[in-house]
Amino acid sequence: DIQMTQSPSSLSASVGDRVTITCQASEDISKSLNWYQQKPGKAPKLLIYAASNLEIGVPSRFSGSGSGTHFTFTISSLQPEDVATYYCQQYDNLPPLLFTFGPGTKVDIK
Amino acid sequence: QVTLRESGPALVKPTQTLTLTCTFSGFSLSTRGMCVSWIRQPPGKALEWLALIDWDDDLFYISSLRTRLTISKDTSKNQVVLTMTNMDPVDTATYYCARTTSVGTGYYQMDVWGQGTTVTVSS
Repeated sequence: DIQMTQSPSSLSASVGDRVTITCQASEDISKSLNWYQQKPGKAPKLLIYAASNLEIGVPSRFSGSGSGTHFTFTISSLQPEDVATYYCQQYDNLPPLLFTFGPGTKVDIK
Repeated sequence: QVTLRESGPALVKPTQTLTLTCTFSGFSLSTRGMCVSWIRQPPGKALEWLALIDWDDDLFYISSLRTRLTISKDTSKNQVVLTMTNMDPVDTATYYCARTTSVGTGYYQMDVWGQGTTVTVSS
């Protein structure tokens, strides 16, 4: 199975800061990677799909990039409502279809 | 509007079988590209995908739990059911179902999630 590493595991930044999270796959997954936001006590929410596509209704300060094994998620200007844990998720869509979430990055305000 | 809602017991005993139901609206699981996944999250831990069923009745499971899981659907009732046998305290978690859509050539995304249901395994 493909393994995912995500870093950092947590970060603290000021409002307005640029925040970057990275996700690395153990094998080439092309662009089969999504990013989710989970606020405390809530279900996850899809932000970015296929590595770099912004889900409808998601603010444009969120973005994703990368392909192959290295991926980046960026919040261009951190807002108080962005306090959450962010997860990358990869899938191996050669049969069998398998999904793996990264360990998560907890983001809070300094 | 697409919605999903999980239901099932809040407490199960070790060795029992857990049955969870995901009732959804706003889409049809017989439409090409539509799937439903189950995901769980132990307290304070990361998300873990468990299983997926697609519009064509293909079934996929996490390798480590394959022998304990069964996913099925009732298209007429707009429901997906997950059963997990031989429950253990380590299976204590919030269980989510999520619509999973297949977009374009082989891209998948979990775009709408239920609120989750908490299951505790204890004697």
